[in-house]
Amino acid sequence: QVQLVESGGGVVQPGRSLRLSCAASGFSFSNYGMYWVRQPPGKGLEWVAVISYDGTYKGYADSVKGRFTISRDNSGNTLSLQMNSLRAEDTAVYYCAKMNVMYGPGTYPITSDYWGQGTLVTVSS
Amino acid sequence: DIQLTQSPSFLSASVGDRVTIACRASQGISNYLAWYQQRPGKAPKLLIYAASTLQSGVPSRFSGSGSGTEFTLTISSLQPEDFATYYCQQVNSYPLTFGGGTKVEIK
Repeated sequence: QVQLVESGGGVVQPGRSLRLSCAASGFSFSNYGMYWVRQPPGKGLEWVAVISYDGTYKGYADSVKGRFTISRDNSGNTLSLQMNSLRAEDTAVYYCAKMNVMYGPGTYPITSDYWGQGTLVTVSS
Repeated sequence: DIQLTQSPSFLSASVGDRVTIACRASQGISNYLAWYQQRPGKAPKLLIYAASTLQSGVPSRFSGSGSGTEFTLTISSLQPEDFATYYCQQVNSYPLTFGGGTKVEIK
């Protein structure tokens, strides 16, 4: 069955960096585009970034553009999110999510059908 | 950006009730809308995509309808496991956006 397991969260000071990972199994990871979505404690969902199935297309929310970088390793079935210059408002549970259609180019959105359990990032001094 | 407005934001209902949640888009999005259920401390779970298509494995008491700017999620007979927060999401264009959520609680 599809499994997405995030890791790498923790407490970090403002201005510092953190790298999140999402280990995928149970499906052909290299055939699906992926997303990162975040949820501040007690609040709603916010889309963060998208990457196409082959990694050639990447897109970001304005709130993280220039600070966060999404990437993928199809040989290792892993999705990553490099987060630099972290701010207090980046505090959230971060989820990775899989598109529900194969070979999504990323240039247009596709629904996500499976999400990981999330990893909590807390930005605080 | 496309704004999604859900109503109500909070709903109190009993087991067996019929429940309807609305989602209004700030501009037309055809049928590019999904509905998710989120239980406390858990990841969102896809219920409905393309406005009205039931995700595999989701009980048939869930249904979705609408097109353009007005959408609804209906639970025909509320079950104990349905008490959760529900979100709509548009996949018409980037940035992907979500509604503010509707929390369904036990009356």
